[in-house]
Amino acid sequence: EAGVAQSPRYKIIEKRQSVAFWCNPISGHATLYWYQQILGQGPKLLIQFQNNGVVDDSQLPKDRFSAERLKGVDSTLKIQPAKLEDSAVYLCASSLNSGGATDTQYFGPGTRLTVL
Amino acid sequence: KQEVTQIPAALSVPEGENLVLNCSFTDSAIYNLQWFRQDPGKGLTSLLLIQSSQREQTSGRLNASLDKSSGRSTLYIAASQPGDSATYLCAVKDSGYALNFGKGTSLLVTP
Repeated sequence: EAGVAQSPRYKIIEKRQSVAFWCNPISGHATLYWYQQILGQGPKLLIQFQNNGVVDDSQLPKDRFSAERLKGVDSTLKIQPAKLEDSAVYLCASSLNSGGATDTQYFGPGTRLTVL
Repeated sequence: KQEVTQIPAALSVPEGENLVLNCSFTDSAIYNLQWFRQDPGKGLTSLLLIQSSQREQTSGRLNASLDKSSGRSTLYIAASQPGDSATYLCAVKDSGYALNFGKGTSLLVTP
């Protein structure tokens, strides 16, 4: 079974530029998550999708971050314009469903973003 | 707001030792607790998931326990090996359905 795919793996941009990340979840997984992991910290949830709909985006900086999940499969996360503090690893995860006590999240390899 | 704390932040042990990693959380109203492993430059791999009604889970040399009332979990690694070197993250799933992560424990097992 293929895992969660993410691209690109690395990205270096200058502040105020825009950037987009792509995620392809495990086939059949209804729930997709985007996390931000700053160096030395645990991952922090940015947004959670259940199929096409947003379940939780309370920690997404909506003035500069946006995300979409078209057709309930692939997802893109965009930052525009980027700030220095956005330097982090962006992790995508997927799970069969979000509500179960046994629901396990499977993570992709992440995209390491450096903002100069 | 759920706060998850992991102690110690870093740990170095010689090969063959048994070791314990600690995790504490502030809100006991949880659905489950998971332990993840993160290797440099890679994503997270789920090691063990303990449901709120369970007390422990075991997988090979790993054993995780959960004391929900005191807000604590421990990950026990038996007979550690250099291949166990990684960062171990504890995450709690609460009523918001999101995973709340600790900062992790960086483990180094020396030959």
